Amino acid sequence: AQSVTQLDSHVSVSEGTPVLLRCNYSSSYSPSLFWYVQHPNKGLQLLLKYTSAATLVKGINGFEAEFKKSETSFHLTKPSAHMSDAAEYFCVVSVPSGTYKYIFGTGTRLKVLA
Amino acid sequence: EAGVTQFPSHSVIEKGQTVTLRCDPISGHDNLYWYRRVMGKEIKFLLHFVKESKQDESGMPNNRFLAERTGGTYSTLKVQPAELEDSGVYFCASSQFREKLFFGSGTQLSVL
Repeated sequence: AQSVTQLDSHVSVSEGTPVLLRCNYSSSYSPSLFWYVQHPNKGLQLLLKYTSAATLVKGINGFEAEFKKSETSFHLTKPSAHMSDAAEYFCVVSVPSGTYKYIFGTGTRLKVLA
Repeated sequence: EAGVTQFPSHSVIEKGQTVTLRCDPISGHDNLYWYRRVMGKEIKFLLHFVKESKQDESGMPNNRFLAERTGGTYSTLKVQPAELEDSGVYFCASSQFREKLFFGSGTQLSVL
């Protein structure tokens, strides 16, 4: 069965410092993994996705994530946090069935301090 | 291009009442999904339409929930009668290719 675990429910960083949001996955298949972000009163927006091509995936707004099969991890990083990065982030694995349903992590709320 | 839109953005009802949520997908997207996030929990799959047909409704909690997609365009999700545990945020998503979902901003449902 597929699942994802986001290891931190809340993360606080200072503006200009690196961001690390952690995600571990479990999958019986070669997984497709995603990171989504939700800003207040907005829809979920796709940041990046991994689908068995390059293990280092670059996304929008300077975010990237590295797929590590040996560690079953897909952590999200950004070299320098901006105030506008404050939001909730979701790690997602997709189920390779006809429905292609998503399995979400519980979310990590990122706070950026001035 | 318009994104996925959901109505209403917020709904407050009393236990036992009926509520209908609406989702307008991106034009041309055959796939439409409903997800729900109950307070403090993860976002969970409810069901999937391909055009007007239900492809997978394995996530629907019980028979108080009824989803329809008229003519393969917009979709409604009706809860009748609503219970306290139905409170949460209901998300709709659509896609043309199943791997890339576009989400709406959700409907916050509060059942008192």
